[in-house]
Amino acid sequence: DAGVIQSPRHEVTEMGQEVTLRCKPISGHDYLFWYRQTMMRGLELLIYFNNNVPIDDSGMPEDRFSAKMPNASFSTLKIQPSEPRDSAVYFCASSPGHLSGNTIYFGEGSWLTVV
Amino acid sequence: GENVEQHPSTLSVQEGDSAVIKCTYSDSASNYFPWYKQELGKGPQLIIDIRSNVGEKKDQRIAVTLNKTAKHFSLHITETQPEDSAVYFCAASNRNAGNMLTFGGGTRLMVKP
Repeated sequence: DAGVIQSPRHEVTEMGQEVTLRCKPISGHDYLFWYRQTMMRGLELLIYFNNNVPIDDSGMPEDRFSAKMPNASFSTLKIQPSEPRDSAVYFCASSPGHLSGNTIYFGEGSWLTVV
Repeated sequence: GENVEQHPSTLSVQEGDSAVIKCTYSDSASNYFPWYKQELGKGPQLIIDIRSNVGEKKDQRIAVTLNKTAKHFSLHITETQPEDSAVYFCAASNRNAGNMLTFGGGTRLMVKP
C-alpha cells in the first residue's frame, strides 16, 4: 500500500495568496483527518471526515480555512487568504474506522511557509 | 473533552540505556492509546498501541503499560540505539467520540552514541 499521499510536500507563498493542500487517503479507509503541527501548539486536529462527510470542524482556526472531500480518494485543505501565522506542517491522515481499532496513518506532511 | 499530558518534553540517554516516557489522560472513557514516532521531516508513524482491556504490551525493545485507575500510560524503550532518536507522541482515543485522537505534547528523545 502506498500510504497516505500528500501534495505539495513543500510550499512557500506570499501573504494573501490562496494555498491548496491535497491528500489521497489509504484505499478503503473511512476516516480522513487534517492536522496542523507547530512548535507552539503541537499536533492539532483541524477537521475530520467520515465517508466523505465532514463530522467535526471545530478545530478549523477561522473562516480562511476550508476543507472538502469530494470522493473517497481525495481531499483538499484550502487557506484563503494565507497569513504568516499559517506557516506550519499540515498532515493528512486516514483510518479504517473499525470499531475494534482506531489506528490512524499519517502522510508525510505538507510544509507551508507564508512570507 | 480529552486532555493528554506528556512528560518529559526532552529526554537524553546514553546508547544502551532505557528510556521511559509517561502520559496522563483525563477522560476515563478513553479506551485506545497509541504511540507514534516522528523522525525529522516525516509524518508520525505508529510504533505500538494498547487498548483498555490490556495492562501491558511488548514488541521487541518497546513496551507500553496502562494504568486505567490512575489514568496514565507509559512507553518503555530498552537497549536504546541512535536510530531511536526522534520525537515520540502519545495519544488517547474515545470510541464514543469517533476516531479522534488527542495527542500529548511530544517528547524529543536523543540517544547519544
